[in-house]
Amino acid sequence: KQEVTQIPAALSVPEGENLVLNCSFTDSAIYNLQWFRQDPGKGLTSLLLIQSSQREQTSGRLNASLDKSSGRSTLYIAASQPGDSATYLCAALEASGGSNYKLTFGKGTLLTVNP
Amino acid sequence: DTGVSQDPRHKITKRGQNVTFRCDPISEHNRLYWYRQTLGQGPEFLTYFQNEAQLEKSRLLSDRFSAERPKGSFSTLEIQRTEQGDSAMYLCASSFRGTSEQFFGPGTRLTVL
Repeated sequence: KQEVTQIPAALSVPEGENLVLNCSFTDSAIYNLQWFRQDPGKGLTSLLLIQSSQREQTSGRLNASLDKSSGRSTLYIAASQPGDSATYLCAALEASGGSNYKLTFGKGTLLTVNP
Repeated sequence: DTGVSQDPRHKITKRGQNVTFRCDPISEHNRLYWYRQTLGQGPEFLTYFQNEAQLEKSRLLSDRFSAERPKGSFSTLEIQRTEQGDSAMYLCASSFRGTSEQFFGPGTRLTVL
């Protein structure tokens, strides 16, 4: 059974700082890994998706890396802003024959960026 | 707006009542998923449809829960005889078969009194 762990559970940083969020997964047989953002009481917004054959993906100030062999992914946020404050979730998609459908989520990292 | 939509956004009910939620996926997405998220936890997979066929159900989905996707379009999730433990955010997602990237709706927050 896939288990996803995110460290740290909470992070508070001053505006402008670069930061790294960590995600680890127990079963390296994944199809892809997605990073999401969730604002309080809201749904999930997809930030980045890394296919199992890729090493990293970038979007603006965000960069996500994937190391399947070690079961790790990181989300790097450059020049953080107060608007980045949210919970960040990573999720691994199982590679199950031709029916890749089940995302397994971590509990998330609650990020607070202070002005 | 062409994203995933869910209705209602909030539902308060008394224990023992039945509730039904609706999800409209992104147009032309043939895969639809339901997840449940409790406070402080990540979402947990409940069930998955490809077109109108329900292909997988989690053991979390007890016999009080039923989901349908008639004609492969919108989906409904019904909870019968609600219990306080059913209080959670119910999230719907959809994807196009070729990409596997899942796009989530805003969720339905259920509170069972």
